[in-house]
Amino acid sequence: DGGITQSPKYLFRKEGQNVTLSCEQNLNHDAMYWYRQDPGQGLRLIYYSQIVNDFQKGDIAEGYSVSREKKESFPLTVTSAQKNPTAFYLCASSDRLNEQFFGPGTRLTVL
Amino acid sequence: QKEVEQDPGPLSVPEGAIVSLNCTYSNSAFQYFMWYRQYSRKGPELLMYTYSSGNKEDGRFTAQVDKSSKYISLFIRDSQPSDSATYLCAMSVGGSSYKLIFGSGTRLLVRP
Repeated sequence: DGGITQSPKYLFRKEGQNVTLSCEQNLNHDAMYWYRQDPGQGLRLIYYSQIVNDFQKGDIAEGYSVSREKKESFPLTVTSAQKNPTAFYLCASSDRLNEQFFGPGTRLTVL
Repeated sequence: QKEVEQDPGPLSVPEGAIVSLNCTYSNSAFQYFMWYRQYSRKGPELLMYTYSSGNKEDGRFTAQVDKSSKYISLFIRDSQPSDSATYLCAMSVGGSSYKLIFGSGTRLLVRP
């Protein structure tokens, strides 16, 4: 059953803590993406990766970091430098330039 | 001014109505246009994918692109309560650019 999985579904972070969000895909897609969604707003691109071991900053990369060591995996770390991390985080992948498929999302809350 | 504008709604219609959802954009270089459906607390689901101008139909859904007016639409015929969701438009210049630019989404409620 092909798809994109994200874990955990809900995540709570204390002030000053780094947390890592998992994203895995078994669609054999080359490209993967991380978006942030805030209430009443569209999706904003954090980072994207077109191939293994390469990634680029999106529009709001400050306070976030990623790695792409395997084709199937694209984890996102929300660092303590991110001042307002409470949001819904969405991972996506694509094998064509523009047709992106999304995972179920992780809701991060700062306590 | 945002690159992509979308009325946030909510849009409330009775079951069976024809729904029209719209986005306007400012970047004339956009060539690829998409509509996503997002249920509450879920990831977006790709509904329609269109290249350049014209219409595309898939079941009860029709996507329309008018590049001369920088305006795209999604029509839903015979709307059902299960269509109640937020609809996001997205677009891209294509080529070597992987970036999708999203509208903020329109919340649709179909009343039984």
